[in-house]
Amino acid sequence: NAGVTQTPKFQVLKTGQSMTLQCAQDMNHEYMSWYRQDPGMGLRLIHYSVGAGITDQGEVPNGYNVSRSTTEDFPLRLLSAAPSQTSVYFCASSYGGIYEQFFGPGTRLTVL
Amino acid sequence: KNEVEQSPQNLTAQEGEFITINCSYSVGISALHWLQQHPGGGIVSLFMLSSGKKKHGRLIATINIQEKHSSLHITASHPRDSAVYICAVHHYGGSQGNLIFGKGTKLSVKP
Repeated sequence: NAGVTQTPKFQVLKTGQSMTLQCAQDMNHEYMSWYRQDPGMGLRLIHYSVGAGITDQGEVPNGYNVSRSTTEDFPLRLLSAAPSQTSVYFCASSYGGIYEQFFGPGTRLTVL
Repeated sequence: KNEVEQSPQNLTAQEGEFITINCSYSVGISALHWLQQHPGGGIVSLFMLSSGKKKHGRLIATINIQEKHSSLHITASHPRDSAVYICAVHHYGGSQGNLIFGKGTKLSVKP
């Protein structure tokens, strides 16, 4: 099993550009989440999904879009990148909050 | 006030020392997770607790539900234990997949 995979590992964008961060898991997990990690802030939830076709907003959803057309994939779209979105992004999956959490390797995004 | 507080924020130890990292939370929980993040690396799950104590190798995690407190202990610490340790809770009644995270404890173990 590959676990949770994320691409790309690194990305530099200019302000106003759009892009999609990819996340996939092969463990048949229903729950998938996107977090951002900023210095001194801890991990903050952006969007999450409890199954294919179902998504909802987390703590910091502005400027991001998600969709979940399959159980395996949960892409995160930045609509119009801003310097405030410079961060490390982690995708995670699990069977639920009371089960082991699996994290992807992260994507380090810089917006100039 | 953060719902999950960790202490200390930073910790430096000598190789071989016994280490304790604390986590206090203010919400009702279904489960508490301890995670490890190496510098520049991904995040790995160490323990998931809903009561009592768990042990894996040199790592021990305990939880006191009544006091809303958990501790992560490392016995005979080693430089390879240097990492950020993150406490996260699943809020009872919250959305099933989501966790509330502490800000992490950065541990450095010197040889």
